[in-house]
Amino acid sequence: GAVVSQHPSWVICKSGTSVKIECRSLDFQATTMFWYRQFPKQSLMLMATSNEGSKATYEQGVEKDKFLINHASLTLSTLTVTSAHPEDSSFYICSAGGLTSGGASTDTQYFGPGTRLTVL
Amino acid sequence: GESVGLHLPTLSVQEGDNSIINCAYSNSASDYFIWYKQESGKGPQFIIDIRSNMDKRQGQRVTVLLNKTVKHLSLQIAATQPGDSAVYFCAETYSGAGSYQLTFGKGTKLSVIP
Repeated sequence: GAVVSQHPSWVICKSGTSVKIECRSLDFQATTMFWYRQFPKQSLMLMATSNEGSKATYEQGVEKDKFLINHASLTLSTLTVTSAHPEDSSFYICSAGGLTSGGASTDTQYFGPGTRLTVL
Repeated sequence: GESVGLHLPTLSVQEGDNSIINCAYSNSASDYFIWYKQESGKGPQFIIDIRSNMDKRQGQRVTVLLNKTVKHLSLQIAATQPGDSAVYFCAETYSGAGSYQLTFGKGTKLSVIP
């Protein structure tokens, strides 16, 4: 299957600082990238959907000014958690959808390995 | 803030036995379904998918069954191994929307007893 990478895999930061998480699709182009957060023992909660070159669509209750998403290319999306607070500590996972390689496309989503954010 | 943690449904099976994980989906318009496996501290891993024009699809040691009448999806794992221990999520989407957005089920934790 398709490979999606995330960087960093874990990060610890002080309260009030900003953290950027990168999500890359390898060897294919992704029309759409998704950002999720996941609390322990819970399912994935969709935060936002981003399409290359356009503004992200945020789910209800997700602050767009706090979780900045940039989808600069068909292989890279970034999530910046601004002015992070302890309650932002979570596991953040990206996924890529609408993958194209050699002209064929698929609506399957492939996930990155996740980023564990801990805000002190 | 962070919600109170929920207890995932847990399925315990003996190594070598077959496992069946069930999922009820919500949207009758959904036409594409995926099973993901998530190990602790990792992102979900694609296992198998099925479209609504099928009711069964087989992969290596895994089979997905789809019953559109009752909106039910199941994942069967043959000869369960310790490496199969993980949380399994079903996901649904309506591919005609073009958004590629998935709706996830709550997940089932599979524990394999050696």
